[in-house]
Amino acid sequence: SQQGEEDPQALSIQEGENATMNCSYKTSINNLQWYRQNSGRGLVHLILIRSNEREKHSGRLRVTLDTSKKSSSLLITASRAADTASYFCAKAQGGSEKLVFGKGTKLTVNP
Amino acid sequence: DAGVIQSPRHEVTEMGQEVTLRCKPISGHDYLFWYRQTMMRGLELLIYFNNNVPIDDSGMPEDRFSAKMPNASFSTLKIQPSEPRDSAVYFCASSLRGPNYEQYFGPGTRLTVT
Repeated sequence: SQQGEEDPQALSIQEGENATMNCSYKTSINNLQWYRQNSGRGLVHLILIRSNEREKHSGRLRVTLDTSKKSSSLLITASRAADTASYFCAKAQGGSEKLVFGKGTKLTVNP
Repeated sequence: DAGVIQSPRHEVTEMGQEVTLRCKPISGHDYLFWYRQTMMRGLELLIYFNNNVPIDDSGMPEDRFSAKMPNASFSTLKIQPSEPRDSAVYFCASSLRGPNYEQYFGPGTRLTVT
């Protein structure tokens, strides 16, 4: 079954606004990662947050992890049209040697 | 430094034909992964290699699929015979640290089986 389900499935915002995407999971994790996929391209790794971390930043990206709620959020601040893409969370589950990807959030940033 | 290279980028074939997809990982990455992406099932791991050895092939759908890694810089995914339900985008990815860490994806091969 798919783990790491993202919410919402689609999000449309105006340039300059913030975009928040959420990811939930069911089993314990070692880390959680976020990837971006532009249309017709491969996935690009954005950020990795370990299970003992609560927040991580990278440029305009902010990721939070709440292990008690088994959820993570990706915040993109001051969005740009170039941020238009699908965003996936991927979990490294405890005891498993592979990443499990969700089905992604499709973000559209309108100029 | 070049990223993961995949070929061909697009493949259209008829049902029953053999299809071979190719991948060159990032130099120095000891882990190589093959994924399949469809709208219905999302991104699925098919198989991964460590130091050219297949470690987990539990995601390979059936015997029609096979993957090899004859050396550290080349891998193939073969489908024989191909079926329309194999139509998908196939990604190769590589990693330096392991299957639970950052993975670097190629541009993918869009396969259409008619």
